[in-house]
Amino acid sequence: RKEVEQDPGPFNVPEGATVAFNCTYSNSASQSFFWYRQDCRKEPKLLMSVYSSGNEDGRFTAQLNRASQYISLLIRDSKLSDSATYLCVVNSLSMKTSYDKVIFGPGTSLSVIP
Amino acid sequence: EAGVVQSPRYKIIEKKQPVAFWCNPISGHNTLYWYLQNLGQGPELLIRYENEEAVDDSQLPKDRFSAERLKGVDSTLKIQPAELGDSAVYLCASSQRGPNNEQFFGPGTRLTVL
Repeated sequence: RKEVEQDPGPFNVPEGATVAFNCTYSNSASQSFFWYRQDCRKEPKLLMSVYSSGNEDGRFTAQLNRASQYISLLIRDSKLSDSATYLCVVNSLSMKTSYDKVIFGPGTSLSVIP
Repeated sequence: EAGVVQSPRYKIIEKKQPVAFWCNPISGHNTLYWYLQNLGQGPELLIRYENEEAVDDSQLPKDRFSAERLKGVDSTLKIQPAELGDSAVYLCASSQRGPNNEQFFGPGTRLTVL
């Protein structure tokens, strides 16, 4: 089992739709969580951090469920410009070193259709 | 403020040849990462530096890959000799100390091995 897994996608949704992505992680000692966005042939950029209490930024809502070891990203009122790959990132304590280990999920592709 | 700078942007080489990538992180960022990204996959960490110390190189194929960050600023990633399977995008990222902070990515180097 991979340490970080995401919905395989692709997701094709009409403008204005609400779409949700899930990400699961295997290390229960994971400490911090993020969603990054990556446009086609571009570098990843931070979309939002994910806090234990859940957090919202405009049309985007991120939630964390530590008991079930998953995080989610909800996008409301989808725009054409939301079309991208969404990467889940988990920061876990490495068993091999004394440093944290950053792991990216494989990404979920979203296409918003006019 | 300048972002993360990488060069070259594109590189085409024949198998068994050496290749080197250069990265200059955002000024003041202690942490530097090198990632490999294949098409349709998330970035995979190759090596992470805290200043000049490599704190996580567990995923670096040390038989052919090497990296250095001698003065704790810019960094070089080398492959010698390159293999067909090394064709990918090599991403450099930097952050303020520690992986709990936002990572800023460079544009990447797209390597094609023929």
